[in-house]
Amino acid sequence: QKEVEQNSGPLSVPEGAIASLNCTYSDRGSQSFFWYRQYSGKSPELIMFIYSNGDKEDGRFTAQLNKASQYVSLLIRDSQPSDSATYLCAVIPSGSARQLTFGSGTQLTVLP
Amino acid sequence: IAGITQAPTSQILAAGRRMTLRCTQDMRHNAMYWYRQDLGLGLRLIHYSNTAGTTGKGEVPDGYSVSRANTDDFPLTLASAVPSQTSVYFCASSDSGKKGGDTLKFGQGTRLTVV
Repeated sequence: QKEVEQNSGPLSVPEGAIASLNCTYSDRGSQSFFWYRQYSGKSPELIMFIYSNGDKEDGRFTAQLNKASQYVSLLIRDSQPSDSATYLCAVIPSGSARQLTFGSGTQLTVLP
Repeated sequence: IAGITQAPTSQILAAGRRMTLRCTQDMRHNAMYWYRQDLGLGLRLIHYSNTAGTTGKGEVPDGYSVSRANTDDFPLTLASAVPSQTSVYFCASSDSGKKGGDTLKFGQGTRLTVV
């Protein structure tokens, strides 16, 4: 079992809809959680990080963390075609000396 | 502009050759990392360095070596390249001593093809 699991997609949503991206992790002791966006042929860039249970909002993006169920999600409200990219979930597992472990990513397409 | 610079941006390499991928950052970040990205496998950590003078092995270190002589530079060496090392390589850094400093800043990547 991979440490960080994501549905590879592709996930397609119409413009203006809410896109929901999910990620589960295997290490119950993980403390830090991240969402990165990666456009085709480009390097990953940070969208958000979250450390505590609950929701964290930043503009159109909301990260949700549920440590009991070991999942973290990313909601994108009012999705735009420019949001079309691969979204990478990453966690810092316990005992990892603070190195991030990434999921394989979910490809999102926002249809105009 | 502060950031991370990788060189070369792409390379075709004959199997068995030695190759060093260069990575330089100007943000004075203490930690640096090398990841490889393959289709369907995501980003996998090769080697890392938490501070100048120290290095550690990641998930897929075999066939690679690194050094961290100073804060800014973190080269990755393939001693004898094999086709399975064909991949996109990303260097990253973080200021892990700060609150929220675990976030990674990535270089633009090096696309390496071993033939």
